[in-house]
Amino acid sequence: SYELTQPPSVSVSPGQTARITCSGDALPKKYAYWYQQKSGQAPVLVIYEDSKRPSGIPERFSGSSSGTMATLTISGAQVEDEADYYCYSTDSSGNPLFGGGTKLTVL
Amino acid sequence: QVQLVQSGAEVKKPGASVKVSCKASGYTFTSYGISWVRQAPGQGLEWMGWISAYNGNTNYAQKLQGRVTMTTDTSTSTAYMELRSLRSDDTAVYYCARRVRGARLIYYMDVWGKGTTVTVSS
Repeated sequence: SYELTQPPSVSVSPGQTARITCSGDALPKKYAYWYQQKSGQAPVLVIYEDSKRPSGIPERFSGSSSGTMATLTISGAQVEDEADYYCYSTDSSGNPLFGGGTKLTVL
Repeated sequence: QVQLVQSGAEVKKPGASVKVSCKASGYTFTSYGISWVRQAPGQGLEWMGWISAYNGNTNYAQKLQGRVTMTTDTSTSTAYMELRSLRSDDTAVYYCARRVRGARLIYYMDVWGKGTTVTVSS
């Protein structure tokens, strides 16, 4: 079955750049979306259609995609960015799915 | 502003059913669908399915086929998710989210409810 693969964890110091990857065979033809989920809270959309930022999301959040890999980049990560991040897309048949999630630690 | 307000926490016994509600406000309910996503304790997000608030069309995740039913009441802008024959591994936080059509025919979720905790325990 189709999967979106993310690293389980990423750790950076405050002010550094954090990069979280998401790989999937259908990504060359399908957009990636990114959700941030802080502890005990509902997910929040931070990037849609690979690289677009919804209103209200800080400019330090950006996205890109190349081939079978999409990347969420947080430039100058802050302590409040510590959260779980999930990529989302669909398989070639349009069935939605999430990646396994990446725990971002900023300390 | 767009808001989705979910019903309160539930505790159910194995074999029972649960029905979670999701009341929408701040937008035209029938112009979007509602997706349901669940998250077991300490686990990732699992897409459960969606329903069109326009015509009631549904699409369920294969693993839940036969146990889940999603409905809407357009008169009250409320979506419902019913899960039957509950098992302990259905214990999770259940989220509703507004389903939005994006480019390349991908539908995604832009606004989420706060979640409803469902605990299945004998």
